[in-house]
Amino acid sequence: DQQVKQNSPSLSVQEGRISILNCDYTNSMFDYFLWYKKYPAEGPTFLISISSIKDKNEDGRFTVFLNKSAKHLSLHIVPSQPGDSAVYFCAAPFGNEKLTFGTGTRLTIIP
Amino acid sequence: NAGVMQNPRHLVRRRGQEARLRCSPMKGHSHVYWYRQLPEEGLKFMVYLQKENIIDESGMPKERFSAEFPKEGPSILRIQQVVRGDSAAYFCASSPLTVDHSPLHFGNGTRLTVT
Repeated sequence: DQQVKQNSPSLSVQEGRISILNCDYTNSMFDYFLWYKKYPAEGPTFLISISSIKDKNEDGRFTVFLNKSAKHLSLHIVPSQPGDSAVYFCAAPFGNEKLTFGTGTRLTIIP
Repeated sequence: NAGVMQNPRHLVRRRGQEARLRCSPMKGHSHVYWYRQLPEEGLKFMVYLQKENIIDESGMPKERFSAEFPKEGPSILRIQQVVRGDSAAYFCASSPLTVDHSPLHFGNGTRLTVT
């Protein structure tokens, strides 16, 4: 039962343009969401989070938007840089702070 | 300021052998989580431990898998009698959990290959 879904397994974006990664969830009890970034052969690293009391959180080039009525969140990266090429996971904590992860979107930034 | 340390990075076992994966959390972190990532999938929660206690093992397979986090030393994930389907990347994460929703800090994983 995949409670957090990332329906795009891959995305290619030109350097300097905006990257938009999407995530849908089914559990309306989720009240906090996180995005992690993962390079090959490394562990995921925390990128940005958002609480359900907000609809937007911004940190430098990264902005996460939350649409609770649609159970949808998105991560915007602008401008995209080659170092942003990685796999991005959205995640939500449930009970004991354990995380449920989406299946990831592989972002490739084209120079 | 070492992060979460996992070893070994790569582990090859034959079917039927035991695999032992180690995780040292970040300094000051007393909460450890184990996750498994199968090829082309996201990370799946396995078990949550505090020192000398298993808090939540709802993601652990019922047989062959066990985990511990002793008072001294690293957390250990043990897989007995490994099968090919156990081949995966196993990630450990730690958290201080002094603040709600503290982001988990992950190690670089152990890639287990069962031949």
